[in-house]
Amino acid sequence: KQEVTQIPAALSVPEGENLVLNCSFTDSAIYNLQWFRQDPGKGLTSLLLIQSSQREQTSGRLNASLDKSSGRSTLYIAASQPGDSATYLCAAHTGGFKTIFGAGTRLFVKA
Amino acid sequence: SQTIHQWPATLVQPVGSPLSLECTVEGTSNPNLYWYRQAAGRGLQLLFYSVGIGQISSEVPQNLSASRPQDRQFILSSKKLLLSDSGFYLCAWSALLPGQGLNYGYTFGSGTRLTVV
Repeated sequence: KQEVTQIPAALSVPEGENLVLNCSFTDSAIYNLQWFRQDPGKGLTSLLLIQSSQREQTSGRLNASLDKSSGRSTLYIAASQPGDSATYLCAAHTGGFKTIFGAGTRLFVKA
Repeated sequence: SQTIHQWPATLVQPVGSPLSLECTVEGTSNPNLYWYRQAAGRGLQLLFYSVGIGQISSEVPQNLSASRPQDRQFILSSKKLLLSDSGFYLCAWSALLPGQGLNYGYTFGSGTRLTVV
């Protein structure tokens, strides 16, 4: 059974810092892994989608990597800004209609 | 471009009352549609998914039901709400090719905060 864990559960950093959010999954047989951002009381906004054949994806200041063999994905945020404050979730798609979501990392960037 | 609409944004309902949450998708045809529930501090729980009109699969036995009367419309319902039905409900769509997993990932609606009192 696939399990997805995100550590830490919460993170507070000063503005301008580079940071890494971690996502671990127990079953390496995934089709893809997706990172989302969720603002309080809002839906999930897709940030990056990494297919199983890819190692990383980049969008602006965001870079997501995928290492299936170790069961890990990381989301790197460069030069963090207060507007980056949100909860970040990862989701591992294991085929069919099964996608397992992590509980998220709540990020707070201090001005 | 594809968009997904979900309403209402918030809802307060008394115990025992009925529920109807609606979700519609624009800009795509034959999407896979999903209803998720999110509990505070926890991951998303898949409630229902649908691969086509009238085709509904339930993941969790509960007080809720889903229907898909049109290709791009997905409805979450309950005949009698329970206190435990309170939560944040999210609709999503994806394009899924059998055997290839999700090509484009999920796109979520803005969510409905349901409070049963």
